[in-house]
Amino acid sequence: AQSVSQHNHHVILSEAASLELGCNYSYGGTVNLFWYVQYPGQHLQLLLKYFSGDPLVKGIKGFEAEFIKSKFSFNLRKPSVQWSDTAEYFCAVNRDDSWGKLQFGAGTQVVVTP
Amino acid sequence: DTGVSQNPRHKITKRGQNVTFRCDPISEHNRLYWYRQTLGQGPEFLTYFQNEAQLEKSRLLSDRFSAERPKGSFSTLEIQRTEQRDSAMYRCASSLSSGGNEQYFGPGTRLTVT
Repeated sequence: AQSVSQHNHHVILSEAASLELGCNYSYGGTVNLFWYVQYPGQHLQLLLKYFSGDPLVKGIKGFEAEFIKSKFSFNLRKPSVQWSDTAEYFCAVNRDDSWGKLQFGAGTQVVVTP
Repeated sequence: DTGVSQNPRHKITKRGQNVTFRCDPISEHNRLYWYRQTLGQGPEFLTYFQNEAQLEKSRLLSDRFSAERPKGSFSTLEIQRTEQRDSAMYRCASSLSSGGNEQYFGPGTRLTVT
C-alpha cells in the first residue's frame, strides 16, 4: 500500500532560520505531489504542487520544494522563516490513476519563535 | 469564487445519534472529496464524487456512513448511530478533473461524540 512519511512531527526554530521538512512516499508509479499548510484557526491551503517538468517548484510565501524521483522525496524548504510561518504542514500525494484522491502524511507542526 | 464551505463547523452529539454534514464546493468544480482527520494524523480519504456519481469509497467508510451529491453540486455526509471513535474533523475538498486536480479544502466540521 502507498504511504507518505513526514520525518518530523514537531519543529521549533527561530525567526530567520532555514526550514526543511522531509517527505517520502512509497508508490513507484507516476504521482502528483503537494504541500498543504494549515495556519492556526484556518483551513488547509495549498502551498505548492508538482505535476511534471522542473523538479524544483516554487510556491507561495517564499516556499519551494524539490522532487527527487530516485529518492521518492518531495522536501519543502524556506531559506528564512518568519513568525507567521507557524503552522502545520502536510505533504500529500496522489497517484495519476487514483481519481485524484490525496494520501497525506501525518503532518509537521512548525513553531517559529520571535 | 467563494471557496468551499462546510456546515456546521462544530457538532457535539451523543453516542447513538445520527448526524449530517453539508459541503458546498466551488461552483464550477466537478470533483468532490470527503476526508477525515484525527488528532496527530493527516486527513484520510473517505469518498469521492465526480458530478453526482460516487466513484470510490474507502474501507474506512463503514456501513454507518453514507454520502450523497444529488445534483452534482453540494454533498452531504451522514453518520448513523454515532460512536465515540467517529469523533474527528471531517473535511471536504473540491477540484476540477482537468489541470492536475488541485484540491481546495473547506474549513471542516469538527464532530465530538460524547
